[in-house]
Amino acid sequence: DAMVIQNPRYQVTQFGKPVTLSCSQTLNHNVMYWYQQKSSQAPKLLFHYYDKDFNNEADTPDNFQSRRPNTSFCFLDIRSPGLGDAAMYLCATSVDRVGNNEQFFGPGTRLTVL
Amino acid sequence: ILNVEQSPQSLHVQEGDSTNFTCSFPSSNFYALHWYRWETAKSPEALFVMTLNGDEKKKGRISATLNTKEGYSYLYIKGSQPEDSATYLCALRMDSSYKLIFGSGTRLLVRP
Repeated sequence: DAMVIQNPRYQVTQFGKPVTLSCSQTLNHNVMYWYQQKSSQAPKLLFHYYDKDFNNEADTPDNFQSRRPNTSFCFLDIRSPGLGDAAMYLCATSVDRVGNNEQFFGPGTRLTVL
Repeated sequence: ILNVEQSPQSLHVQEGDSTNFTCSFPSSNFYALHWYRWETAKSPEALFVMTLNGDEKKKGRISATLNTKEGYSYLYIKGSQPEDSATYLCALRMDSSYKLIFGSGTRLLVRP
């Protein structure tokens, strides 16, 4: 089955220690998104890639970076995690940004910062 | 700042009970409304996309209605089952672009 996969499902890191979350897709979609959902809050879009073109949201902290080495993979890098970065991180994909833009989600990675 | 509000935040019902919850949004900003079901340890799954005022959509025991003039959508579950336990998220799309503004979800627990 075509799908969006996130690894690991649970990640524990230490305050200030860089961490990378991974997303892969077998859907061959052009767009990949990263969302952050803190406890009891709404998922919030951090950024997305349209093909190789990176698009940051205006209020995404500089501490968050992303890489997309190929169509299938997209990484979320947190350079110096703080306690406030503990959250569920969701990856999603869509065929396009306008028109055929239904988003398909992975199961998320829950990040704990000690 | 655009707010999409969902209520209640959480809900516990007995198996067999019917239930409903609400998604509210500023009625002046509307292109489409999405409902997702997110079961624990799984991916959020699309339930409905609603675009027209008065829309009613149904999938099995789950249905949704939309009122764009007053800015709300209801999700109904008839005869709740334990497998309906999940977080139900709504998301507003203000235009034809990719941007989704999510609510914080309603967490439903159905007791056997």
